[in-house]
Amino acid sequence: SQELEQSPQSLIVQEGKNLTINCTSSKTLYGLYWYKQKYGEGLIFLMMLQKGGEEKSHEKITAKLDEKKQQSSLHITASQPSHAGIYLCGAVPPISSGSARQLTFGSGTQLTVLP
Amino acid sequence: AAGVIQSPRHLIKEKRETATLKCYPIPRHDTVYWYQQGPGQDPQFLISFYEKMQSDKGSIPDRFSAQQFSDYHSELNMSSLELGDSALYFCASSFLGASIPGNTEAFFGQGTRLTVV
Repeated sequence: SQELEQSPQSLIVQEGKNLTINCTSSKTLYGLYWYKQKYGEGLIFLMMLQKGGEEKSHEKITAKLDEKKQQSSLHITASQPSHAGIYLCGAVPPISSGSARQLTFGSGTQLTVLP
Repeated sequence: AAGVIQSPRHLIKEKRETATLKCYPIPRHDTVYWYQQGPGQDPQFLISFYEKMQSDKGSIPDRFSAQQFSDYHSELNMSSLELGDSALYFCASSFLGASIPGNTEAFFGQGTRLTVV
């Protein structure tokens, strides 16, 4: 089965600083999702990457999928307290005939942004 | 835009009771996924439905069952509840259709917090 490892597990930064969260897969990624979760709340979809070398941005958050498609990074520029939360990466296994595909999640990165 | 709607948001049940969680996917989405997230843990896949048929099964206990109805909403039925069933239960939906591998976005509901006492 595919395993995802996120690093760091927790991160505390001062407001305005840049930061990077990594997600490394034990197998080739066919689709990689990034979600943000506030404690005890739902998962907010950030972006999805599927092609090697792909990079997407949303406001101050940029995610990249490396060429070999086994690692993704999430970069936040000029962090704000509103960025605080748990960031989860989720991987999709290869599509197989007649079945839907479920996400396997990393263990999450807890981000705290100090004002 | 309409999102995935789950009900109830909070549920308190006693051990050995039964609970039913509901999920209303985004309109025109054909796939529903159920996840369980224990305290401090990442979401674990339970079960999914594609076009009202069960498509994949994860770590769902035999005490749990689920189905997707003709209007695409889904219900997760949990019987003989145990203290360890206390968790956040998420539903997600996506549109697979004739999808290209990886070319699907999955959106989650706000979750139902189940507390078993």
